[in-house]
Amino acid sequence: VVMTQSPLSLPVTLGQPASISCTSSQSLVYSGGDTYLNWFQLRPGQSPRRLIYKVSNRDSGVPDRFSGSGSGTDFTLNISRVEAEDVGVYYCMQGSHWPPWTFGQGTKVEIK
Amino acid sequence: EVQVVESGGGLVRPGGSLRLSCVASGFIFRNYTMHWVRLAPGKGLEWVSYISNTGSARYYAASVKGRFTISRDNAKNSLFLQMNSLRDEDTAVYYCARGWFCGATSCSMDDSFDVWGQGTSLTVST
Repeated sequence: VVMTQSPLSLPVTLGQPASISCTSSQSLVYSGGDTYLNWFQLRPGQSPRRLIYKVSNRDSGVPDRFSGSGSGTDFTLNISRVEAEDVGVYYCMQGSHWPPWTFGQGTKVEIK
Repeated sequence: EVQVVESGGGLVRPGGSLRLSCVASGFIFRNYTMHWVRLAPGKGLEWVSYISNTGSARYYAASVKGRFTISRDNAKNSLFLQMNSLRDEDTAVYYCARGWFCGATSCSMDDSFDVWGQGTSLTVST
């Protein structure tokens, strides 16, 4: 399954919203009805951190300004109000059709 | 605290070998599948390999199949990646990541990739 993100670069103004799109080459609905689409944040110098699992479930400790949505083949990560600490690269990843588990190319979020 | 800690990275010449390790703590290691994921300079995250909680099932990315071997020692809460015939393009930071929780009869896919280590760096160069 090929995961395609857009945009690949996203300059944003502090306090403004941001949105990242992720499209899969086939539906990510798994046989049990769940959709295994995760979002990860990779801050400079840090390890990847899972933000969202199964499309829209926020991980513990993730600020509520992050939200995930979508279904089938089209998914979105939204940041309601970008803060300086949100700078980094964001990846979607599918876990419905494996192996392999596949990531999107990454979207670099930077402050204007 | 739930954590995984990688080690074993270094500088290796093309064609060489290296073994990475990952030690888990804070959770029942034998109940979880595990993954290796890498991040090459200027590139994106790439899944490398998977091993089931018992070690009976193993999968590899096409780019490493036949050269890398994943293994685990549940008695020592440890995950390994034996890397042979290394190439320049294997240069990356390698992360171990926790996979699914597996009970007696089934696995929950919700927990996949929820815990990551700090990574260990491999450079393949002359």
